Amino acid sequence: QVQLVQSGAEVKTPGASVKVSCKASGYTFTNYVINWVRQAPGQGLEWMGWISGYNGNTEYAQKFQGRVTMTTDTSTSTAYMELSSLTSDDTAVYYCARDLTVFGASHVFGIWGQGTMVIVSS
Amino acid sequence: EVVLTQSPGTLSLFPGERATLSCRASHSVSSSHLAWYQQKPGQAPRLLIYAASTRATGIPDRFSGSGSGTDFTVTISRLEPEDVAVYYCQQYVVSPLTFGGGTTVEIK
Repeated sequence: QVQLVQSGAEVKTPGASVKVSCKASGYTFTNYVINWVRQAPGQGLEWMGWISGYNGNTEYAQKFQGRVTMTTDTSTSTAYMELSSLTSDDTAVYYCARDLTVFGASHVFGIWGQGTMVIVSS
Repeated sequence: EVVLTQSPGTLSLFPGERATLSCRASHSVSSSHLAWYQQKPGQAPRLLIYAASTRATGIPDRFSGSGSGTDFTVTISRLEPEDVAVYYCQQYVVSPLTFGGGTTVEIK
């Protein structure tokens, strides 16, 4: 079945970087866009950006420009999200979510990973 | 940026009652590029409805979506205990993609 499996929880100190992985299975990785969405404790959902599994094109939310890098490894059907210069405000669960439509960028999040908790604390 | 405002913040109803959740956009959401997600405690969100009124695969028909322009609604026709969750709307007409603040549905 189609699923996205994310890497495990991370604890980072302020100023560090974190890299979260999202391994896809059950579908052709290069046919879909992967989005990244985060959720601070007790808060709502915040879109961070997307990356094409086909050609690696990206779009980042302006809030994260210069701090976020999204990449893919098509040989392992894995997407990555790296966030740098971490502060306590970056403490959140980070989700990857696959686009609903093949080759399109519908920006509807049809399949979600289980989430990765990132804690930023000194 | 399109700001989405959801109401009410919390909805508490008895099983079998009808639940109506609202999402209002600060700018028109053209072509009904509006989706709804359900997030149960401790879980990732799940797609419920997209294009304002199309149910996602596997979503029971007690869930329905409607609306256009700036006002959208999701209705649960007969509330069941497993519907306890936070419900988020999301617009995908313009970047940045944005979500509403969520409506919590509780069972009395």
